[in-house]
Amino acid sequence: DQQVKQNSPSLSVQEGRISILNCDYTNSMFDYFLWYKKYPAEGPTFLISISSIKDKNEDGRFTVFLNKSAKHLSLHIVPSQPGDSAVYFCAASANQAGTALIFGKGTTLSVSS
Amino acid sequence: EPEVTQTPSHQVTQMGQEVILRCVPISNHLYFYWYRQILGQKVEFLVSFYNNEISEKSEIFDDQFSVERPDGSNFTLKIRSTKLEDSAMYFCASSENFYNEQFFGPGTRLTVL
Repeated sequence: DQQVKQNSPSLSVQEGRISILNCDYTNSMFDYFLWYKKYPAEGPTFLISISSIKDKNEDGRFTVFLNKSAKHLSLHIVPSQPGDSAVYFCAASANQAGTALIFGKGTTLSVSS
Repeated sequence: EPEVTQTPSHQVTQMGQEVILRCVPISNHLYFYWYRQILGQKVEFLVSFYNNEISEKSEIFDDQFSVERPDGSNFTLKIRSTKLEDSAMYFCASSENFYNEQFFGPGTRLTVL
């Protein structure tokens, strides 16, 4: 039962260009969404989040867009840098119902210089 | 910057043995979590803990698992009788409140032989 789906296992982008990572969800109870970045042998690092009352949140080079009607969110990284190469996880929670984060399978981003 | 720490980084044990994984959450955080990631799979929620009791647990978190906050700083996950399928990365996380982002530790790699 994949409540959070990241359908692209990998993405390759050139340095300086935009990276767009996508995530879909099925549970309409989800009201809080997060993106995490993970390097090998490390824990997930929090990047940016968005509440369901918003449709956009921006933090520096990172912007998350939420389309509730489509149950879709995306993470934009502009400009992409080689240090951004990592696995990116989308996660969601239903704060009204509990505390668990439900993760997608992740997308491996490779930024080439 | 405050961070979540976990020990040990790698634990090897024999099937049927008990293991205790340790975590020190960020000091002003009130909610604590354990997640695991089996190799090649998603990060999965195990349990959340608040005010010295379990606030939510997944179906993975059966009677073989227990959590404890033995003092003011440590948060532990005990697996009573390990099975081969318990081999995974175990991540501890903490958050200021249940509606805030969760910060993850670097993980403990558990190998059950």
